[in-house]
Amino acid sequence: SQQGEEDPQALSIQEGENATMNCSYKTSINNLQWYRQNSGRGLVHLILIRSNEREKHSGRLRVTLDTSKKSSSLLITASRAADTASYFCATDAHSTLTFGKGTMLLVSP
Amino acid sequence: EAGVAQSPRYKIIEKRQSVAFWCNPISGHATLYWYQQILGQGPKLLIQFQNNGVVDDSQLPKDRFSAERLKGVDSTLKIQPAKLEDSAVYLCASTAGADTQYFGPGTRLTVL
Repeated sequence: SQQGEEDPQALSIQEGENATMNCSYKTSINNLQWYRQNSGRGLVHLILIRSNEREKHSGRLRVTLDTSKKSSSLLITASRAADTASYFCATDAHSTLTFGKGTMLLVSP
Repeated sequence: EAGVAQSPRYKIIEKRQSVAFWCNPISGHATLYWYQQILGQGPKLLIQFQNNGVVDDSQLPKDRFSAERLKGVDSTLKIQPAKLEDSAVYLCASTAGADTQYFGPGTRLTVL
């Protein structure tokens, strides 16, 4: 079963704009991770936020976690065409990852 | 550092045939995972190995799927016989024990 549910399912923006994706989950977690998947490729780890953290930054990425609402958001600032990909949140509850269905992001030049 | 290697990259078979996928994890990574990713969905864990022992295979359809990691390094995933609904990308991932998983490029299976 898939615990994380991303919203929106698809997002289309212009280069330079910010992109925000949300993830909701159902059970308690140790950490939540975001991964990117380019078409036809494997997944690439972007960022991990632990259950006792509220916000984390990595380059143009900003992740927030609200454990009381069981939700997380991923913000990509100043988007580039190369950011076009599918983005998945994955919850880690017992050292195994449960992925959501993903958000497809299209960044147009 | 070399990444996770998988082969073949693509495979087309007919239903009821057998197929096997191979994965070579990052050197030194004790934990290895196999995921199934159906088009339009996120990856679903099939099996997790710690060295050559199975940690979690609760979502592996054991009537047709099998996996092994005999020497605690390479792993193979087999499907016999294949069904149409097995068409998917099969992803292998490994980790050294930290939280981040490193994924291979996947094998795209089409069952006709």
